[in-house]
Amino acid sequence: GQQLNQSPQSMFIQEGEDVSMNCTSSSIFNTWLWYKQDPGEGPVLLIALYKAGELTSNGRLTAQFGITRKDSFLNISASIPSDVGIYFCAKMEYGNKLVFGAGTILRVKS
Amino acid sequence: DAGITQSPRHKVTETGTPVTLRCHQTENHRYMYWYRQDPGHGLRLIHYSYGVKDTDKGEVSDGYSVSRSKTEDFLLTLESATSSQTSVYFCAISAGPPNTEAFFGQGTRLTVV
Repeated sequence: GQQLNQSPQSMFIQEGEDVSMNCTSSSIFNTWLWYKQDPGEGPVLLIALYKAGELTSNGRLTAQFGITRKDSFLNISASIPSDVGIYFCAKMEYGNKLVFGAGTILRVKS
Repeated sequence: DAGITQSPRHKVTETGTPVTLRCHQTENHRYMYWYRQDPGHGLRLIHYSYGVKDTDKGEVSDGYSVSRSKTEDFLLTLESATSSQTSVYFCAISAGPPNTEAFFGQGTRLTVV
């Protein structure tokens, strides 16, 4: 089963609202990755985090690597219709094995 | 866009038949991955490769085999397709440490009837 727990499973929000989603793991690790998948496409990397406590922004996106190294959150400010898609957290395990969470489905009402 | 091509993009096959999916890259990246995507399960790793002829299992490897005889090609074979293997399959590539970014292909939709 999934080693990363993502929540919420889905969100249906009004355009302009802020969005927050998070990911937790039972084990610590050194890299958190956040990907977005548009309908019919493969996932694309949004943000990579490498240090506990690190806070990184990419436009309207902000992600943080938790101090305990077991969790991370992704925030989207002022959502727009093109934010719809599935957001995945991922971790890089030993041997460069990339493991994903189950994803958060985001829908935006305009 | 990273140079990754998956073929075929769509396939319908019968239960019990062998199926091979191909992933071809033009980036000369060391690592290649095969995932399956199913509703509620996200992307689950089937097998991955860390070099020519070097492969390892992921979390859902039963019923699948892989081969990598050249840097640019990573093949996924369903030895005897079952309906539970109906899914969307994604290939990904990565240059490896210190670069953690993985680039994905556009996916192959496989239906086993």
